[in-house]
Amino acid sequence: GAVVSQHPSRVICKSGTSVKIECRSLDFQATTMFWYRQFPKQSLMLMATSNEGSKATYEQGVEKDKFLINHASLTLSTLTVTSAHPEDSSFYICSAPKTLEAEAFFGQGTRLTVV
Amino acid sequence: GENVEQHPSTLSVQEGDSAVIKCTYSDSASNYFPWYKQELGKRPQLIIDIRSNVGEKKDQRIAVTLNKTAKHFSLHITETQPEDSAVYFCAATTNNDMRFGAGTRLTVKP
Repeated sequence: GAVVSQHPSRVICKSGTSVKIECRSLDFQATTMFWYRQFPKQSLMLMATSNEGSKATYEQGVEKDKFLINHASLTLSTLTVTSAHPEDSSFYICSAPKTLEAEAFFGQGTRLTVV
Repeated sequence: GENVEQHPSTLSVQEGDSAVIKCTYSDSASNYFPWYKQELGKRPQLIIDIRSNVGEKKDQRIAVTLNKTAKHFSLHITETQPEDSAVYFCAATTNNDMRFGAGTRLTVKP
């Protein structure tokens, strides 16, 4: 299968700082990437759909100014959590399909802890 | 937007028994339905998928059925083994996004 790499896998930051998470498709070009948030023992909640060369589409209730998404190339999407607060602590995971309506490959996920 | 519901949230079976997980979706435009397995601390992995022009698909002990009219699809695991224990997610995909069900924590007791 295809490979999607996400970094960092774990990050601890102080309240008020910003954290950038990278999602890379290593062996294919991803026009679209999805960003999810997963709480313990809960499902994957879609936060936004990242589209190369255009603005991301955010789900209702997700603050676009707080969760900045940039998809500047066909192999890289970034999620920046700005002015992080403890309630932003969670597991963030990206996925990318080779084509729409096909299997999406997941990154390893990022465990964010805001102290 | 699409809404995917998944049941049950937890399922416990004896080794060798069958397990069935059911999902419903709301958007009739959804046309691709993957199932993912997520083991503790790992990323979700695709185990089987089905497209809207197919009613059933089988891969060894795993099968998926789709009823487009009723907008529901199911995952069937036969002859369960302890290593099948994990969280299973269904998803429904349109042209724009992939949305997941709430997940089912399957426990297979030896």
